[in-house]
Amino acid sequence: GEDVEQSLFLSVREGDSSVINCTYTDSSSTYLYWYKQEPGAGLQLLTYIFSNMDMKQDQRLTVLLNKKDKHLSLRIADTQTGDSAIYFCAELEQGGKLIFGQGTELSVKP
Amino acid sequence: EAGVAQSPRYKIIEKRQSVAFWCNPISGHATLYWYQQILGQGPKLLIQFQNNGVVDDSQLPKDRFSAERLKGVDSTLKIQPAKLEDSAVYLCASSSTGAGGPYEQYFGPGTRLTVT
Repeated sequence: GEDVEQSLFLSVREGDSSVINCTYTDSSSTYLYWYKQEPGAGLQLLTYIFSNMDMKQDQRLTVLLNKKDKHLSLRIADTQTGDSAIYFCAELEQGGKLIFGQGTELSVKP
Repeated sequence: EAGVAQSPRYKIIEKRQSVAFWCNPISGHATLYWYQQILGQGPKLLIQFQNNGVVDDSQLPKDRFSAERLKGVDSTLKIQPAKLEDSAVYLCASSSTGAGGPYEQYFGPGTRLTVT
């Protein structure tokens, strides 16, 4: 079945760039998403990318998609302490169902 | 625009008791989802509604979980009887329907259920 894998933890210093990686298995996924979850809160949609794109940039966020390797990454430029959270990648299944990874906990140290 | 509303935010019950969660989606969103998020994991879809019809309930433990969306707007998820392994955050999400996507799903704050 479909599976989405992420590394569990990432620690960076404030001002550095963060890169969060994700691999997925469903080659027919049309959209891939990045969500952010802060403690005690629901999931906030950060950005998404259509499967026929290689890259999407949105302010400090850059999404890279390598469809051949089924690899997705989220780069956060100039990482701030407010970016500390858990980041989930998700792939869209036919019918509108999202399959989520287990999340990457980003810790930003001042 | 108001977001997805959920209540209660927290609930503690004993095993074998019943519990119900409520969700009001973003106005105009035809599709509503209930996800279960166990601590340390990503959300897992329990049930998806399109208006008041069920699209996908393949992951819903139907012997104890039920959900309805009678008027195609708000929805209720019920667990009866609860088990210890049901301890989780229950997230509601909604999206508008459009052919081809991107099916942006917007999430509520969730209900944290603890079963003791």
